[in-house]
Amino acid sequence: DAKTTQPNSMESNEEEPVHLPCNHSTISGTDYIHWYRQLPSQGPEYVIHGLTSNVNNRMASLAIAEDRKSSTLILHRATLRDAAVYYCILRDEGFNKFYFGSGTKLNVKP
Amino acid sequence: DVKVTQSSRYLVKRTGEKVFLECVQDMDHENMFWYRQDPGLGLRLIYFSYDVKMKEKGDIPEGYSVSREKKERFSLILESASTNQTSMYLCASSLWARSGNTIYFGEGSWLTVV
Repeated sequence: DAKTTQPNSMESNEEEPVHLPCNHSTISGTDYIHWYRQLPSQGPEYVIHGLTSNVNNRMASLAIAEDRKSSTLILHRATLRDAAVYYCILRDEGFNKFYFGSGTKLNVKP
Repeated sequence: DVKVTQSSRYLVKRTGEKVFLECVQDMDHENMFWYRQDPGLGLRLIYFSYDVKMKEKGDIPEGYSVSREKKERFSLILESASTNQTSMYLCASSLWARSGNTIYFGEGSWLTVV
């Protein structure tokens, strides 16, 4: 089953861009790449997802490598409210193959 | 906006008690899930349901059961609570299992078994 690898933690300064990497070398052709984040004492919330092309929404951008074996979540201007654990996950058509892993804890410094 | 509501935010139960965790979603989603989250172990799937009265085991179903009598409601049952079931429990829902569909989570229920 495809799984993801992320750094345990990263640090950023407020109002600077943040690039959160994710490796998924065993990704299959039908796996979408999803990113969620979990603020303290809350459930995970959706950030962005994509299949092959780069994606943008109001929260973030997702850059997907051409071979799809890695991706990067980009927060264009980090704020203190972006401090959270960010999960990169793969979801295949079988649904129950949906692994969160341990994620990257992002610390944002004022 | 999709709303997934978990009935209890914080619970304290005694060992051996039967515990019910209730979850309701308001977006007519077919799929509903129960996860538990423990430090260092991430989110682990306990059970999921893809339709009323339908359920499948996740990765850690032992000690738990579920009930889905109505589409919007998914209950997690701890038949006889034990201290190793102290955890945060997360309910989630999504449209029919397609890879591009996202999952929506509730705020979590913190259960302490003493």
